[in-house]
Amino acid sequence: AQSVSQHNHHVILSEAASLELGCNYSYGGTVNLFWYVQYPGQHLQLLLKYFSGDPLVKGIKGFEAEFIKSKFSFNLRKPSVQWSDTAEYFCAVNAGTGGFKTIFGAGTRLFVKA
Amino acid sequence: GAGVSQSPRYKVAKRGQDVALRCDPISGHVSLFWYQQALGQGPEFLTYFQNEAQLDKSGLPSDRFFAERPEGSVSTLKIQRTQQEDSAVYLCASSTRSDLRHQETQYFGPGTRLLVL
Repeated sequence: AQSVSQHNHHVILSEAASLELGCNYSYGGTVNLFWYVQYPGQHLQLLLKYFSGDPLVKGIKGFEAEFIKSKFSFNLRKPSVQWSDTAEYFCAVNAGTGGFKTIFGAGTRLFVKA
Repeated sequence: GAGVSQSPRYKVAKRGQDVALRCDPISGHVSLFWYQQALGQGPEFLTYFQNEAQLDKSGLPSDRFFAERPEGSVSTLKIQRTQQEDSAVYLCASSTRSDLRHQETQYFGPGTRLLVL
């Protein structure tokens, strides 16, 4: 069965610090990979996604993620965080060959100190 | 246009009561998903519709859970004889395309927070 593991449940950073949130998945076949974000009081929304091609994916608000197939990882990065990046971040995966089911990680709560 | 809307936003039910949760997807979206999100966890897949067809219901936790989308737009998730473990946020999401090889972005609603006492 597919599963997604996010390494950190809570992360606290100061503004301008660099961010890397870990995500590993277990699934042997082709996958589609996603990072979703939920800002306080708002809906879940897509940050970025990987389907195929360049394993380095750029998303909104300066975020990027790198798909490393050999490590089953899809870590999220941002060189310099802002207070407005305070949110909960979810990594998700679904089977790239026809799965409807999207599996989410447990989420990482990021708090950025001003 | 408007995003995905869900109602009610909050529901308190007594154990054993039946509840119905509504989802209005973005107009024209073919695909509709229901998720259950327990406190401190990520969303867990419940079921998927392509238009009015329920193509995957493997995530429904028991036969007390039932979902429908009779006209291919609005969907209802019904939970019969609610139990305390059903307390969670129920999320609905919709997307434009039905091609399984090209999963489109899912747009999420605000969720319905269900508390079973």
